[in-house]
Amino acid sequence: DIQMTQSPSSLSASVGDRVTITCRASQSISTYLNWYQQKPGKAPKLLIYAASSLQSGVPSRFSGSGSGTDFTLTVSSLQPEDFATYYCQQSDSTPHTFGGGTKVEIK
Amino acid sequence: QVQLQESGPGLVKPSETLSLTCTVSGGSISSYYWSWIRQPPGKGLEWIGYIYNSGSTNYNPSLKSRVTISVDTSKNQFSLKLSSVTAADTAVYYCARPLVDSSGYYYYYWGQGTLVTVSS
Repeated sequence: DIQMTQSPSSLSASVGDRVTITCRASQSISTYLNWYQQKPGKAPKLLIYAASSLQSGVPSRFSGSGSGTDFTLTVSSLQPEDFATYYCQQSDSTPHTFGGGTKVEIK
Repeated sequence: QVQLQESGPGLVKPSETLSLTCTVSGGSISSYYWSWIRQPPGKGLEWIGYIYNSGSTNYNPSLKSRVTISVDTSKNQFSLKLSSVTAADTAVYYCARPLVDSSGYYYYYWGQGTLVTVSS
C-alpha cells in the first residue's frame, strides 16, 4: 500500500492567513493526488483533483501543487468557512489511501 | 444531480455481518464505479473498495477476506457486507462514486454517512 503522510496534523490560524498543508507519498504517484475538506458531521468535499485542478465551484483561494511524492494544498486567505479538516488521497494504485488529516482551527 | 443515501442497522453484534445499502438517485447505477469508505469516530478515512460495471470488484487487502460489494441494478442500489465484525469496525460508513478519467479516481459524490457501532 502507498502510505500518505500529512503535516502538520493540526494548525491554528487567523482569518486572512495564508495556510499551507503538505502531503507526502511513500512512493511516486505522479499527479494522482486529491484534496478533500471535511466539516464535523459531514461527508468529505472534493476540493482539488489531479494535484492542481480546482473542482468546479470551489473558491479560487484554494490551490494545489506537486508531483511525484510531495504535494501541497494552499489557502491564500483563510475564511471563516475554511476551518475544517483536510485530507489528501492518492489514486495511483489501490487501495486508494488517505492521509491522516490536518485540522485547521481558529487562532 | 446524483444523490447517494446509505441505509442499514446502526448496531451490529461482534462476530456478525455488517450489511449496508446505498441507494442511488438522479442517475443510473450502470457503467460507473461505486465505492465504500469508512471513518472510525475521531479518526481518518479508510478506503474499503469499489465495484465497477456491476461486477468487477477491488477491495482493500486489509479487509479483503471479510468484504463483499455488490450491485442491484433493478433497485439502483449497491451494498456492502463485512463479516466477522469487531469493535474496530465501528465507524461512519460512506458510499461514494468517484469520477474516473486520465487524472485518476476522485471521489466527488458522497452519501451523508451512517454510523455503525459494533457492540453486544
